[in-house]
Amino acid sequence: EAAVTQSPRNKVAVTGGKVTLSCNQTNNHNNMYWYRQDTGHGLRLIHYSYGAGSTEKGDIPDGYKASRPSQENFSLILELATPSQTSVYFCASGAWGEPNERLFFGHGTKLSVL
Amino acid sequence: QQKVQQSPESLIVPEGGMASLNCTSSDRNVDYFWWYRQHSGKSPKMLMSIFSNGEKEEGRFTVHLNKASLHTSLHIRDSQPSDSALYLCAARGNSNNRIFFGDGTQLVVKP
Repeated sequence: EAAVTQSPRNKVAVTGGKVTLSCNQTNNHNNMYWYRQDTGHGLRLIHYSYGAGSTEKGDIPDGYKASRPSQENFSLILELATPSQTSVYFCASGAWGEPNERLFFGHGTKLSVL
Repeated sequence: QQKVQQSPESLIVPEGGMASLNCTSSDRNVDYFWWYRQHSGKSPKMLMSIFSNGEKEEGRFTVHLNKASLHTSLHIRDSQPSDSALYLCAARGNSNNRIFFGDGTQLVVKP
């Protein structure tokens, strides 16, 4: 089973502070994604990447930056955290054009901004 | 506005019953659909995928796709309490590899 590791698992931040969420995958997948999930709802796409050095805006990019320094790592950065960014964040990786293609998700990071 | 709409929002079925979930993409530029299952407090796990017109069956799960209407449905027969979860439909943009999700259907299977 493909492995996607997120850190930290839980984070409490103060309003106006900087938060960095990290994601590492050992699947050698080109595509990586950051989503947020609010209680009882689906996943909303924040940023995604086609490979090292690339980042693309998703559906809700405002207030977030992304960085893909290598094939394995994809970070989500909140420069000035706000309480509205309190959520669960999921990182995922995927390689398309392969049999049984799909997204593989990390365990999620629960972020609380006070 | 959500590009993937799911219905119903919630569904209660008795143990052993049939659960039917629906999903439609309002974006015509999609080429692949998935159904993911997410148990409470866990990450989503892929249940089934489909990209061709027609039907696909795996055990108790059957998925249908109508590409003309961009509608997919998931049917779970002989539902079990362990099937209680949030079911998420996802679609992929055919030109940009964006994967977008619906808001999900919360399924409860009552013993």
